[in-house]
Amino acid sequence: QSVLTQPPSVSGAPGQRVTISCTGSSSNIGAGYDVHWYQQLPGTAPKLLIYGNSNRPSGVPDRFSGSKSGTSASLAITGLQAEDEADYYCQSYDSSLREVFGGGTKLTVL
Amino acid sequence: QLQLQESGPGLVKPSETLSLTCTVSGGSISSSSYYWGWIRQPPGKGLEWIGSIYYSGSTYYNPSLKSRVTISVDTSKNQFSLKLSSVTAADTAVYYCARNFDYGGNSVFPLDYWGQGTLVTVSS
Repeated sequence: QSVLTQPPSVSGAPGQRVTISCTGSSSNIGAGYDVHWYQQLPGTAPKLLIYGNSNRPSGVPDRFSGSKSGTSASLAITGLQAEDEADYYCQSYDSSLREVFGGGTKLTVL
Repeated sequence: QLQLQESGPGLVKPSETLSLTCTVSGGSISSSSYYWGWIRQPPGKGLEWIGSIYYSGSTYYNPSLKSRVTISVDTSKNQFSLKLSSVTAADTAVYYCARNFDYGGNSVFPLDYWGQGTLVTVSS
């Protein structure tokens, strides 16, 4: 069980907006540490989607955005597309465990 | 374009040592702006950070694996390696190597380049 909690699954119809939460504690997100997000398409390696809470690497569409508040962070995807169907992971620093990933969220595009 | 490639045995016997190497091409492993990590993913499960290393040799390990993990770097070959001892079936996973880059923020360095991953099965 990860110290960063994500919902196991979320879903949305094409064109809709979905959000994925990542809830931590005072030893990680709540301590002020930034959150990064990764997208893992089926059968492939994870890809960096958002870093430093809200920054997009070059090439990542602006449909993807991130935010952080208190002990939680969120990934929002607008204009949902079929190719967004993937697993999404948050990552942060934990004062005890150092590098930690969330348990992952499976996004289904209906 | 930076590329990372994992290599090593795909089958390891219980109680033995898992050994993998990550070869970096298209860039130098000897840069103070990056460190290099190993992450694993058991079949059907989530990601688990194993450990990381700077080109200087400084290492950081997951506390839950620390007693069994050794990560080393060979700058002359532009490679870094993972050894995981006393493996059990629970160590069966896809093992990824990846690059962490210094984004200038307050957290772990994000992983911007990943290898394709290699499946290691622990079985007799």
